[in-house]
Amino acid sequence: EPEVTQTPSHQVTQMGQEVILRCVPISNHLYFYWYRQILGQKVEFLVSFYNNEISEKSEIFDDQFSVERPDGSNFTLKIRSTKLEDSAMYFCASSGRATGVSQPQHFGDGTRLSIL
Amino acid sequence: ILNVEQSPQSLHVQEGDSTNFTCSFPSSNFYALHWYRWETAKSPEALFVMTLNGDEKKKGRISATLNTKEGYSYLYIKGSQPEDSATYLCAFDTNAGKSTFGDGTTLTVKP
Repeated sequence: EPEVTQTPSHQVTQMGQEVILRCVPISNHLYFYWYRQILGQKVEFLVSFYNNEISEKSEIFDDQFSVERPDGSNFTLKIRSTKLEDSAMYFCASSGRATGVSQPQHFGDGTRLSIL
Repeated sequence: ILNVEQSPQSLHVQEGDSTNFTCSFPSSNFYALHWYRWETAKSPEALFVMTLNGDEKKKGRISATLNTKEGYSYLYIKGSQPEDSATYLCAFDTNAGKSTFGDGTTLTVKP
């Protein structure tokens, strides 16, 4: 069964450094998402992406964050200048959702980001 | 800010017991309601997508109902097994394409 894959599984970065988290969504999916979960807290929506542009973003997704689909397969989340509070598990998801139809989201295994 | 609430926060049952939990969500701008199963050290796994008021979905011993007018969904597990132990998440979609997750209900099934 097709899967969403995320790399790396664990990223350790110094505060203030840029970090790029990578995701390969399921190949025929149209919608892509990033979520994060700070340890002990709920899963939080960051951003959704469709047709090469952001369709929705949360208040967490400020100017330090950006997403990109640089080619036909990868979907990346960049944090420009990391802060301690960015430490979290970051999940990528994709769905085949089209207008008028809501499909389940398929999640990757996550990247654990640790900011030192 | 959308508020999606799940109750109870945690539940401990004996093997063979049936159980249910609740997801409450805003009744306006409803697009879809998702249920996910999340085992420790794994990624969330989709159980159901529900879109219509009165929807009932079933997958083996797990079923779910949806009431969009009053803003709630129930998840039922019949004859719980130890392998059902997980956190069950619901997520509410607006037609703007944003998913808001609840905090989850953590189920522990004792053999």
